[in-house]
Amino acid sequence: QQQVKQSPQSLIVQKGGISIINCAYENTAFDYFPWYQQFPGKGPALLIAIRPDVSEKKEGRFTISFNKSAKQFSLHIMDSQPGDSATYFCAARGNTGTASKLTFGTGTRLQVTL
Amino acid sequence: DTEVTQTPKHLVMGMTNKKSLKCEQHMGHRAMYWYKQKAKKPPELMFVYSYEKLSINESVPSRFSPECPNSSLLNLHLHALQPEDSALYLCASSRSAGGQGGNEQFFGPGTRLTVL
Repeated sequence: QQQVKQSPQSLIVQKGGISIINCAYENTAFDYFPWYQQFPGKGPALLIAIRPDVSEKKEGRFTISFNKSAKQFSLHIMDSQPGDSATYFCAARGNTGTASKLTFGTGTRLQVTL
Repeated sequence: DTEVTQTPKHLVMGMTNKKSLKCEQHMGHRAMYWYKQKAKKPPELMFVYSYEKLSINESVPSRFSPECPNSSLLNLHLHALQPEDSALYLCASSRSAGGQGGNEQFFGPGTRLTVL
């Protein structure tokens, strides 16, 4: 029940195209859903995040769509650029009472080609 | 300053060595985390410190020993590690560990550990 399923495992998009990564969860107690971007050899960087009372959040070229009833959320990268080539992790936060824990999806390797 | 720093960047150690990883943040965050990340896998939570007290230990083997000397520093002491412990060790911090809001976790660049 703590799992977050992420798809696809890898994605190739042409420059200027839209990249879409999907995640699904089971635990309705999750209360916060961040996306992280990770370049090789670096730590994950927080990209954008959403709470379950909001259906969409946009920051620049990055948009999260959230469907609470379906327990799904997705990341859309508009006008994808070669510099966006990285691994993307969705995550979901659950509270244990004394501390919160992030459960990560399995990751999507995005490659943006010229 | 919105940065989490980690030292060293790379570490190679033998199975009988004792070494320590260090993490520092100056954002006034009161929660700090250690994660382990294997190649092509997501980060796995190891420990959570909240207000300098250990609040979560994800059943990590005792050869990993965390320490939080103050609210800005987090150490991970390593002893008698195995080759399968080779991984990227990530530190993260957040404003608080529990409750609602303000809990975005910010990650450091990691320490690449190789155990021979």
